[in-house]
Amino acid sequence: GQNIDQPTEMTATEGAIVQINCTYQTSGFNGLFWYQQHAGEAPTFLSYNVLDGLEEKGRFSSFLSRSKGYSYLLLKELQMKDSASYLCAVRDRRGKLQFGAGTQVVVTP
Amino acid sequence: KAGVTQTPRYLIKTRGQQVTLSCSPISGHRSVSWYQQTPGQGLQFLFEYFSETQRNKGNFPGRFSGRQFSNSRSEMNVSTLELGDSALYLCASSLGQTGPFSGANVLTFGAGSRLTVL
Repeated sequence: GQNIDQPTEMTATEGAIVQINCTYQTSGFNGLFWYQQHAGEAPTFLSYNVLDGLEEKGRFSSFLSRSKGYSYLLLKELQMKDSASYLCAVRDRRGKLQFGAGTQVVVTP
Repeated sequence: KAGVTQTPRYLIKTRGQQVTLSCSPISGHRSVSWYQQTPGQGLQFLFEYFSETQRNKGNFPGRFSGRQFSNSRSEMNVSTLELGDSALYLCASSLGQTGPFSGANVLTFGAGSRLTVL
């Protein structure tokens, strides 16, 4: 089975940086995803990591360490529109994608 | 390119009834996954269908079932509804590759069907 842990909530000010950590345990790792979900909307894809290291996409970066079962999502130059829930998800060898409970990020002026 | 379409968007049922939800995936996507989302539990995996076969299953009781048609459209059914089944049911489609380093194989989600059980 899979177990995915991430903090429940984080608060940061506009323009700041926030790092959302995700730890996981899985039987057969086949990729880690980050999704963003605004209130009342569907989740949307942010990033994908399957090899160790950092993937950068504009203001968002995601890091993976497979040996530690650890990932983080880094949000830089925070904007008010970044207030949302950020979901860490792990795919196993059979293609099953399981999500963590999500981290609610609150951006304050 | 049309996105993932879920119907109905909202519905209200009473305990003991059954409900069928529909999902039309993005054209060319052969995999459809279903998730239940509640404030307390987050996104919980129900099942995944690929080429009309259930490929993965979550830990939900047998009251939750699904199927996929030859055109990749999928339905899920919940029988004997309970109050705790009130949730947002999300469908997501993808190309469905599962091999090592098969690429991101990103799930694209529909807007969801919000079920309220009274």
